[in-house]
Amino acid sequence: EAGVVQSPRYKIIEKKQPVAFWCNPISGHNTLYWYLQNLGQGPELLIRYENEEAVDDSQLPKDRFSAERLKGVDSTLKIQPAELGDSAVYLCASSWTYEYNEQFFGPGTRLTVL
Amino acid sequence: GDSVTQMEGPVTLSEEAFLTINCTYTATGYPSLFWYVQYPGEGLQLLLKATKADDKGSNKGFEATYRKETTSFHLEKGSVQVSDSAVYFCALSDKSADSSYKLIFGSGTRLLVRP
Repeated sequence: EAGVVQSPRYKIIEKKQPVAFWCNPISGHNTLYWYLQNLGQGPELLIRYENEEAVDDSQLPKDRFSAERLKGVDSTLKIQPAELGDSAVYLCASSWTYEYNEQFFGPGTRLTVL
Repeated sequence: GDSVTQMEGPVTLSEEAFLTINCTYTATGYPSLFWYVQYPGEGLQLLLKATKADDKGSNKGFEATYRKETTSFHLEKGSVQVSDSAVYFCALSDKSADSSYKLIFGSGTRLLVRP
């Protein structure tokens, strides 16, 4: 069974540029999570999707961050415009349902903003 | 709110040494507890878990026991290998009012095992 797929694995951009990250969860997983992992820290939840609905986006900085999961499968997280402080690893995870307490993580996208 | 505290790293050990990484938690409910491992350049992998008090999670020679009385979930391994070098994250998952689960992570402990 394939795991959670993320792309790109690495991205280097200049500040004020837009950037997008893509995630394909494990087949059949209804719940999808985006996490932010700063250097030397544990992951912090940005947004949770139940199928195509964003049900917890309280930690997403909505002035510059947006996300979508149009068909309830893969998802895209976008930053526009990027700032220096956005340099971090962006992790995607999925689980069967929101009532299932084990999450499976992708390899992450490491973003560097210059 | 819920939180997880782990010992700061890095932890540097020689091969075959005994490992302990301390983890304590604060939670209002009855959380499940997890240890995740992150190898260089990779995402988080679930190492082991325990869902109720006194449960022992184990995997690949690692063990951790859910201690409700001390609110702890310390990670141990009797004999570490160079390949165990990674960052280890303790986490809890507690059920919210809407029946969803939210993972709360500690800040991670880097383990370096030398030959």
